[in-house]
Amino acid sequence: DAGVTQSPTHLIKTRGQQVTLRCSPISGHKSVSWYQQVLGQGPQFIFQYYEKEERGRGNFPDRFSARQFPNYSSELNVNALLLGDSALYLCASSSGYANTGELFFGEGSRLTVL
Amino acid sequence: AQSVTQPDIHITVSEGASLELRCNYSYGATPYLFWYVQSPGQGLQLLLKYFSGDTLVQGIKGFEAEFKRSQSSFNLRKPSVHWSDAAEYFCAVATPNDYKLSFGAGTTVTVRA
Repeated sequence: DAGVTQSPTHLIKTRGQQVTLRCSPISGHKSVSWYQQVLGQGPQFIFQYYEKEERGRGNFPDRFSARQFPNYSSELNVNALLLGDSALYLCASSSGYANTGELFFGEGSRLTVL
Repeated sequence: AQSVTQPDIHITVSEGASLELRCNYSYGATPYLFWYVQSPGQGLQLLLKYFSGDTLVQGIKGFEAEFKRSQSSFNLRKPSVHWSDAAEYFCAVATPNDYKLSFGAGTTVTVRA
């Protein structure tokens, strides 16, 4: 079975541009979470979606947005990119809403903002 | 809000030697605790988790962790390290029925021959 897949794996943008990152969860998983991992730090929670509804948002500006589609895949959008948005963006899926289960992470999308 | 501290940024250990990674958390009650490993260019893989019950938890790849409420700690151990254990290790905490994990800054483990 396929794990969590993310695309693109690497991308380079310039300040002020917009970026869309994509995530396909494990088949049967209804929850998708997004995390930002800046170099040298642990992942920071951005969003969780469950059954196509936003269930949680971390401490990120409104330039960050996301959505979940009927097939449970998800997109993360970042507008007006700043140099500080350079990071590895991780998507994780789980079968349920709460943390009693395991989060399965993808390999991430590495964003470089120049 | 819960938080996690991993005091050691980098640990170097010889192959075959034992390994212990420290994790301290801040939370009013007993949280859910996790250890994840991240190899270069890879996503995060769950090693083990603690929700309740036996305070010594066994995980994959020969790892174990012990929950100590009195010390607010959840240290990860492995009796004999293999070269393939070189990676970055993250401790994470979640509150019951919450939707997010709070990660520590990570500990990088280097294994020397």
